[in-house]
Amino acid sequence: GAGVSQSPSNKVTEKGKDVELRCDPISGHTALYWYRQSLGQGLEFLIYFQGNSAPDKSGLPSDRFSAERTGGSVSTLTIQRTQQEDSAVYLCASSFGQTGELFFGEGSRLTVL
Amino acid sequence: AQRVTQPEKLLSVFKGAPVELKCNYSYSGSPELFWYVQYSRQRLQLLLRHISRESIKGFTADLNKGETSFHLKKPFAQEEDSAMYYCALSSGGYNKLIFGAGTRLAVHP
Repeated sequence: GAGVSQSPSNKVTEKGKDVELRCDPISGHTALYWYRQSLGQGLEFLIYFQGNSAPDKSGLPSDRFSAERTGGSVSTLTIQRTQQEDSAVYLCASSFGQTGELFFGEGSRLTVL
Repeated sequence: AQRVTQPEKLLSVFKGAPVELKCNYSYSGSPELFWYVQYSRQRLQLLLRHISRESIKGFTADLNKGETSFHLKKPFAQEEDSAMYYCALSSGGYNKLIFGAGTRLAVHP
């Protein structure tokens, strides 16, 4: 596909369960970002990957959140023991170079009951 | 601390009226600023960046370092401009963007 692909598009889970969100960036984009979009809060930076390494993970809210990227391509964001405050839209973006232009996916909407 | 503030959650105007979406920032270095837009049922996408000094879809934005502002302006709003607009600041030497909370622009016929 031509754009950033995220799955699942919607996920409803029970409090305490683990969830995995997947991002497939644009081919050739070396940088990958995860953001969280909560109602009225704008976009909150979570983590940045350059290749397979994460030089900036300063936005991860707690140790329940982790992310990895393999093969310089697909990334997975994992949330363990989900809480209701984790409910949000999780956006993935990728970029190439330093233009400041991020290409976003459609997001994964997570609802924790 | 680096911060982007968009004071208006909603801006409602009539077609043909001028539009100004406000953005203020705090950043100790030399800022790079952007406007991103999300139309209904579409992905978030780049609208314009201050270093390009370009006009996109009739929108312009000027960086005012004295007032630490980067307001987005359009002289005559169109219904298709209705969308969510986010101001963003580049930080960290790579493409890490700090976003504001966003302003929803509603253009009425």
